[in-house]
Amino acid sequence: GQNIDQPTEMTATEGAIVQINCTYQTSGFNGLFWYQQHAGEAPTFLSYNVLDGLEEKGRFSSFLSRSKGYSYLLLKELQMKDSASYLCAPLKSNYQLIWGAGTKLIIKP
Amino acid sequence: EAQVTQNPRYLITVTGKKLTVTCSQNMNHEYMSWYRQDPGLGLRQIYYSMNVEVTDKGDVPEGYKVSRKEKRNFPLILESPSPNQTSLYFCASSSQGAQPQHFGDGTRLSIL
Repeated sequence: GQNIDQPTEMTATEGAIVQINCTYQTSGFNGLFWYQQHAGEAPTFLSYNVLDGLEEKGRFSSFLSRSKGYSYLLLKELQMKDSASYLCAPLKSNYQLIWGAGTKLIIKP
Repeated sequence: EAQVTQNPRYLITVTGKKLTVTCSQNMNHEYMSWYRQDPGLGLRQIYYSMNVEVTDKGDVPEGYKVSRKEKRNFPLILESPSPNQTSLYFCASSSQGAQPQHFGDGTRLSIL
């Protein structure tokens, strides 16, 4: 079957660092996406990992371990505008995206 | 401006009255997809299309139809809507299946 597990909600302080974990099980695997979604808006692309390791893009980094079925999104120097839901989405070998329920990140001053 | 356009943005209708939600992209993308998003469940894929005249079922296709007669358009059809199809719907497109998807602004459907 297919299953994606990420925390429902996390709270962090402005300026701090937060790591959002995602574990997954899918039938076939072709990489993993992370998207950001502000309340009432459409998701927007953050990162795509297809190989094991860390991809860094400004304040955001994403890590993938294919053998462990594990990924994380690391957000540094948190800003109030980072308050949003973060969606983990593995891509199956038939190019179908499977979406986690998302992690709601609350940033406090 | 590169964009995915959905219409309507909001619709309140009644059970059984056929409706179509249109989706159009201007990026010449091959891959298009429809999702519904419900609280606590995340995005669930309804149908997707890898190219013109090629469509495949996602995880929750029951009660929906799609067509892909031309590359830019991917309409979602509810032949006989029911209240359990009340949801927020997103259309998305990408150049290929393994590329980031661009999302439309969403369509909020209420079926009474």
